[in-house]
Amino acid sequence: GNSVTQMEGPVTLSEEAFLTINCTYTATGYPSLFWYVQYPGEGLQLLLKATKADDKGSNKGFEATYRKETTSFHLEKGSVQVSDSAVYFCALRGTNSGGSNYKLTFGKGTLLTVNP
Amino acid sequence: EAGVTQFPSHSVIEKGQTVTLRCDPISGHDNLYWYRRVMGKEIKFLLHFVKESKQDESGMPNNRFLAERTGGTYSTLKVQPAELEDSGVYFCASSLRGGWDEQFFGPGTRLTVL
Repeated sequence: GNSVTQMEGPVTLSEEAFLTINCTYTATGYPSLFWYVQYPGEGLQLLLKATKADDKGSNKGFEATYRKETTSFHLEKGSVQVSDSAVYFCALRGTNSGGSNYKLTFGKGTLLTVNP
Repeated sequence: EAGVTQFPSHSVIEKGQTVTLRCDPISGHDNLYWYRRVMGKEIKFLLHFVKESKQDESGMPNNRFLAERTGGTYSTLKVQPAELEDSGVYFCASSLRGGWDEQFFGPGTRLTVL
């Protein structure tokens, strides 16, 4: 079945540091890949997505590139801010017959803390 | 426009008791999903409603869990009787259509079973 493995953390960085959170996946076919973020006290929010190989998703300074050859979708940001402190989840949505392509498969989440 | 809301935000109960979680999806969203994150584990799919019909409940852990969506609006997830391993965060999400539509998530209900 589908699975997502992401760097578990926690990750603690200073403001303006470079961020990488690794994510690899196992899936058949051509899944869509996502990064969700959960800020304290809030729900999961879609941060960015990519739907096919070599696509780059980007939002709020974050980027991730869909690498089919390495089955990876690493999240990066060049300069983090205190306001980026949150839990980040890598996820995929598979392509399969039977219409069940709505199910999201998540990684365990990575807690990021950015200190001033 | 209001987002997905969940109630309560936190519930602490004793083993063997009953708890009911509620989810109000975004108005007009026919598709509603429940997910669960057990401490330290992945967020896992529980089930999917289209309007009032259960389309897929393959992720429900056992028959102590009962989900309903009467009238196709809000949904409830009842756990009866609760066990220690049911502790975790229960997320609800909704989408306008199924399939490839973005799912919008609520803040979750943190359930603690003592």
